[in-house]
Amino acid sequence: DSGVTQTPKHLITATGQRVTLRCSPRSGDLSVYWYQQSLDQGLQFLIHYYNGEERAKGNILERFSAQQFPDLHSELNLSSLELGDSALYFCASSVMTGSNYGYTFGSGTRLTVV
Amino acid sequence: DAKTTQPPSMDCAEGRAANLPCNHSTISGNEYVYWYRQIHSQGPQYIIHGLKNNETNEMASLIITEDRKSSTLILPHATLRDTAVYYCIVRVAQSSARQLTFGSGTQLTVLP
Repeated sequence: DSGVTQTPKHLITATGQRVTLRCSPRSGDLSVYWYQQSLDQGLQFLIHYYNGEERAKGNILERFSAQQFPDLHSELNLSSLELGDSALYFCASSVMTGSNYGYTFGSGTRLTVV
Repeated sequence: DAKTTQPPSMDCAEGRAANLPCNHSTISGNEYVYWYRQIHSQGPQYIIHGLKNNETNEMASLIITEDRKSSTLILPHATLRDTAVYYCIVRVAQSSARQLTFGSGTQLTVLP
C-alpha cells in the first residue's frame, strides 16, 4: 500500500457517459497529479493541483476536468466518454523531503468504455 | 527538464546484475537524475535519485558519469519481479512541485 488511494479500481461504462475517479493523497501531501496511460502507451500527464489550486495542465481534453477539495482528495471527471478514453488513470501525490520532492503513485483506476 | 535517451528493451538473466543506461547529454548543473519503474499496469515506483555522486539504496545503485551526461541504474541481483519498464527522468529538484514527465523508458525482462 503506497498510501495513495484510488477508487474505483475498475470501471466499465458506455460511450457518452460521465464518470468520476477519486484520489486520496498520502497524509500530509498537498499536491495531486493525474496521469493517463492508454494501452501500450506512456504515462501522459493530465493535471496538477496543489492545496486546492490548479497548478499545471498537460494533455487534458476539454471533456475532462478535475478539482481538489479542502480535505485534499481529488476527483477527475470524464464526460462524453469515447472508446479512446479507455485507459489506466493514475494519481500521484508529492511532498517535499529534504531538497527533493518524493512522488508516490496510486494503483490506478482501469476505465473501460464500451 | 533535460531530454533523456534509453534503450527500448533489455534482457537480463535472473540472479545477474541488470545495468540500465540512460543518456542525458543536455543535463544542467542543478538537475537531478531520477529512476522510477512500472511493473505491468501498476503505478510507477520510485527507485533512486542522484545529483553527481553515485548513490545506493536497498533497491539499486545509481552510477553517474563525471561529466553527468549519462548514468546507469544497477539492479545487483535481478529477480523475475524486477521485470518492468524503467524510466530515467532528469529534472530540477526545487521547491516547486512540478509534475514528473515520463518518456518511453526501457522494458527490462528478467529471464529465468
